Amino acid sequence: AQSVTQLDSHVSVSEGTPVLLRCNYSSSYSPSLFWYVQHPNKGLQLLLKYTSAATLVKGINGFEAEFKKSETSFHLTKPSAHMSDAAEYFCVVSDGYGGATNKLIFGTGTLLAVQP
Amino acid sequence: EAGVTQSPTHLIKTRGQQATLRCSPISGHTSVYWYQQALGLGLQFLLWYDEGEERNRGNFPPRFSGRQFPNYSSELNVNALELEDSALYLCASDTQGLMNTEAFFGQGTRLTVV
Repeated sequence: AQSVTQLDSHVSVSEGTPVLLRCNYSSSYSPSLFWYVQHPNKGLQLLLKYTSAATLVKGINGFEAEFKKSETSFHLTKPSAHMSDAAEYFCVVSDGYGGATNKLIFGTGTLLAVQP
Repeated sequence: EAGVTQSPTHLIKTRGQQATLRCSPISGHTSVYWYQQALGLGLQFLLWYDEGEERNRGNFPPRFSGRQFPNYSSELNVNALELEDSALYLCASDTQGLMNTEAFFGQGTRLTVV
């Protein structure tokens, strides 16, 4: 069975410093992986997705993630944090080829705080 | 273009009662999905409706049910509410329940069972 583990429940960074949100996955075959963001009182928004193409995936708002099969990791990074990045981030693996919405398995989330 | 809309935003019920949550998908989307986001548990897949039919359900008891209407909007019904049903319920929609389509999520309904 597929699963994801988000290694940090809370991350705090200063504005302008790099962001690293860690995610490890477990999969018996080549997975589809996603990062979603949830701002307060808003729905989930897709940041980026990996579906077996390039291992470095670029998303919206300057975020990117690198698929590392040897480490079973899909960490989310951003070179410079903005105040508007404060939100909860979810790492997601698909329990089916291609990322069908009913097959998404969500991690427990990482709450990102950005200090001025 | 309007996104996925859910109502009500907040709902308070007592144990044993029934709750009804509503979702309107993005125009043109035929599939609706329901997820439960309980504190500390992440999002868990509940139900998938497409073209008016239930296509798949997650590991939840039968007192969680729903339906999809001809206009593709959907209701989630939770019967015999229990305290642990307190959670944020998110609805998502996409064009079809197949691969490589992006799902769009609503803001959710916060259900509190007291």
